[in-house]
Amino acid sequence: GQNIDQPTEMTATEGAIVQINCTYQTSGFNGLFWYQQHAGEAPTFLSYNVLDGLEEKGRFSSFLSRSKGYSYLLLKELQMKDSASYLCAALDSNYQLIWGAGTKLIIKP
Amino acid sequence: IAGITQAPTSQILAAGRRMTLRCTQDMRHNAMYWYRQDLGLGLRLIHYSNTAGTTGKGEVPDGYSVSRANTDDFPLTLASAVPSQTSVYFCASSDSIGGDYNEQFFGPGTRLTVL
Repeated sequence: GQNIDQPTEMTATEGAIVQINCTYQTSGFNGLFWYQQHAGEAPTFLSYNVLDGLEEKGRFSSFLSRSKGYSYLLLKELQMKDSASYLCAALDSNYQLIWGAGTKLIIKP
Repeated sequence: IAGITQAPTSQILAAGRRMTLRCTQDMRHNAMYWYRQDLGLGLRLIHYSNTAGTTGKGEVPDGYSVSRANTDDFPLTLASAVPSQTSVYFCASSDSIGGDYNEQFFGPGTRLTVL
């Protein structure tokens, strides 16, 4: 079956760095997405990786290892507004997104 | 209209009633999707449409139907609502369903409660 695993909840301190991990098992693979979702709002796109390695975009970076079925999202210089859920999703062989349950990130001052 | 709109924002519905959730996008995207999001679970795909005139079943299609008469609109219908369909429903669209890039843009969601 297809499965995405990510931690349910993480806590970090304002100004610090946090890494949110995601492992995936899918029928075929066409890339890995990270989305941010604030409470009561719609998910919004953060990053897309299809090749191994690190993609950096401002304070956010995303890493992919296809051989290990593993990705992480790295958030630097955390701000209170980064408190949200972070959703990992893998694009399978049918180009359908398989979603993880999300990681709720709590930022403390 | 900018992006994707959904209506209604929220709805309380009696079990057994018929309900249509509306979704409209103005980005001329080919592909559209309906998801439900429940606490502790990931987004689950209900139905999708690769292009106008075609639809397909997702992971949890039972009790739901869709149509795609044109590019912009993708309504979701619950023929006879049941309490287990209480959820937040998100409509999304993407430029294409094939290729290497499939970023999905989401509507604001419809919060549906079936009593």
